[in-house]
Amino acid sequence: GNSVTQMEGPVTLSEEAFLTINCTYTATGYPSLFWYVQYPGEGLQLLLKATKADDKGSNKGFEATYRKETTSFHLEKGSVQVSDSAVYFCALSDDAGNNRKLIWGLGTSLAVNP
Amino acid sequence: GAGVSQSPRYKVAKRGQDVALRCDPISGHVSLFWYQQALGQGPEFLTYFQNEAQLDKSGLPSDRFFAERPEGSVSTLKIQRTQQEDSAVYLCASSLARQYSNQPQHFGDGTRLSIL
Repeated sequence: GNSVTQMEGPVTLSEEAFLTINCTYTATGYPSLFWYVQYPGEGLQLLLKATKADDKGSNKGFEATYRKETTSFHLEKGSVQVSDSAVYFCALSDDAGNNRKLIWGLGTSLAVNP
Repeated sequence: GAGVSQSPRYKVAKRGQDVALRCDPISGHVSLFWYQQALGQGPEFLTYFQNEAQLDKSGLPSDRFFAERPEGSVSTLKIQRTQQEDSAVYLCASSLARQYSNQPQHFGDGTRLSIL
């Protein structure tokens, strides 16, 4: 079945450091890929998405490219801020039928120190 | 504009009690999803509605779990005879379209359920 694998956390960085959170997936068909973020005490928010191979999603300085050849969707940011401290989830949209349920990774906790 | 609203935000129940969790999706959103998120884990799919029709309930862990969306808007997730393993955050999400996987799901803040 479809699955998502994320790098384990927690990840601790200093402010202005470069961030990469790895995400790989297994899927049949052509799923859409998403990164969601969960800030402390808040609900899940969509960070960015990509719907087909080679698409790049971007938002708030974060980027991720849909790589079908490596089945990956790694999240990157060139210079993190303290306010980026949160849990990041990679997810794919199950392409079977009309049910677009999301299949999730376990989440990666990021802590950015000043 | 209002987002997805869930209530209550926190619920504590004794083992064996029944609970009901409510979700108000974004107005006009056709699709509604329920997920269960255990501590330190990613969400796990429970069930999916398209308008009032429950098209997929394959993720419901047992027949103690029941969900409905009778008028195609508000949805209720009911758990009967709760067990300790039901303790989790229950997330509701809604999405505008029914057919296109690139439509994002919008999440509520969740209901944190604790079974004593």
